[in-house]
Amino acid sequence: ETGVTQSPTHLIKTRGQQVTLRCSSQSGHNTVSWYQQALGQGPQFIFQYYREEENGRGNFPPRFSGLQFPNYSSELNVNALELDDSALYLCASSLRDWTDLGTFGSGTRLTVV
Amino acid sequence: GEDVEQSLFLSVREGDSSVINCTYTDSSSTYLYWYKQEPGAGLQLLTYIFSNMDMKQDQRLTVLLNKKDKHLSLRIADTQTGDSAIYFCAESLNRDDKIIFGKGTRLHILP
Repeated sequence: ETGVTQSPTHLIKTRGQQVTLRCSSQSGHNTVSWYQQALGQGPQFIFQYYREEENGRGNFPPRFSGLQFPNYSSELNVNALELDDSALYLCASSLRDWTDLGTFGSGTRLTVV
Repeated sequence: GEDVEQSLFLSVREGDSSVINCTYTDSSSTYLYWYKQEPGAGLQLLTYIFSNMDMKQDQRLTVLLNKKDKHLSLRIADTQTGDSAIYFCAESLNRDDKIIFGKGTRLHILP
């Protein structure tokens, strides 16, 4: 059994560019949630995907978008990057309606310059 | 609204007990969590408690919940250097819902 894997681990982008972050869910998990953790802050919920459909969204603008694939892996896309998008992006996978709680990946550290 | 508050910093001597406190605002939350984050790492779920419980103990960890005051605490017995990390208090309405996190308490261990 593998845990949640995120790639890349670190990334530097220029303001205005677009970025795609990837998350490979734990085996058997059908739900993935994305969080943004700015420096010195707690994680903030971006959105959740369940069986390839968005299933809840936090207070983030539309330039934050996502996808979930049939194998339940997921992408987070951010367009028109801003300096404030610099953060650790965490994904968590879970099996909906199961007893176990979700598992977090180690995150992708995005720096926008 | 949803909000989780916790003190930002705690220093404890090695071998003593650490107590990290948290308050939350959403009385509908059924799951209350404690996560640990070490430098450069993701989040590790330490423990959680259902809102209908008062206490949960797991080895060195004791969670106390005062639902009336919406107060949650995490006690770490016999604090070790490996416990040095940021501890996040968090809540969610249900298990599959979004998790609302506090800003984290940085636990510093003194020799």
